[in-house]
Amino acid sequence: AQSVTQLDSQVPVFEEAPVELRCNYSSSVSVYLFWYVQYPNQGLQLLLKYLSGSTLVESINGFEAEFNKSQTSFHLRKPSVHISDTAEYFCAVKLIGAGNMLTFGGGTRLMVKP
Amino acid sequence: SQTIHQWPATLVQPVGSPLSLECTVEGTSNPNLYWYRQAAGRGLQLLFYSVGIGQISSEVPQNLSASRPQDRQFILSSKKLLLSDSGFYLCAWTQGLVTEAFFGQGTRLTVV
Repeated sequence: AQSVTQLDSQVPVFEEAPVELRCNYSSSVSVYLFWYVQYPNQGLQLLLKYLSGSTLVESINGFEAEFNKSQTSFHLRKPSVHISDTAEYFCAVKLIGAGNMLTFGGGTRLMVKP
Repeated sequence: SQTIHQWPATLVQPVGSPLSLECTVEGTSNPNLYWYRQAAGRGLQLLFYSVGIGQISSEVPQNLSASRPQDRQFILSSKKLLLSDSGFYLCAWTQGLVTEAFFGQGTRLTVV
């Protein structure tokens, strides 16, 4: 069975500083990888995804994530965060060719301070 | 385009009362449907998923049940709520040709 580990439950950071949210997964088969963002009292929104091709994927608001197959990681990074990035971030995996269910990590709360 | 509706947005219910949360999807057919719960300070817990009408799989045994009376309708129910049922409930859908899951806006349930 697959699993997803987000090592940090909370990440405090000052505005304009860089940030990295860590995600590691375990799976015996190939996976698709996702990052979702959740603002307070809202549903989850897809931030970015890795399906195939370039291992570095980017979102429209400056986040990027890199798929590292050897380390089974998909860490999320942003070089300079804004107050508006304060939210909860979830990493998720989906087994390729094995149904449609996503498995989520425990989430990381990003807290951007002025 | 596809949309997912979930209601109500917030709900305060006394212990022992029944529960019915509804989720509908528009713009797609035969989706896979999911109910997740988010307890305070915890991640997403998959409660139920459905691959078709009348087909429900339960991931954890608890005080809740789910039904899928129509292709794009998914209902989460309880006969008697417990305090521990409080949380943020999220409905989501996926489909074979689409890789990611799409979420509703969630229902904040407080059992008092």
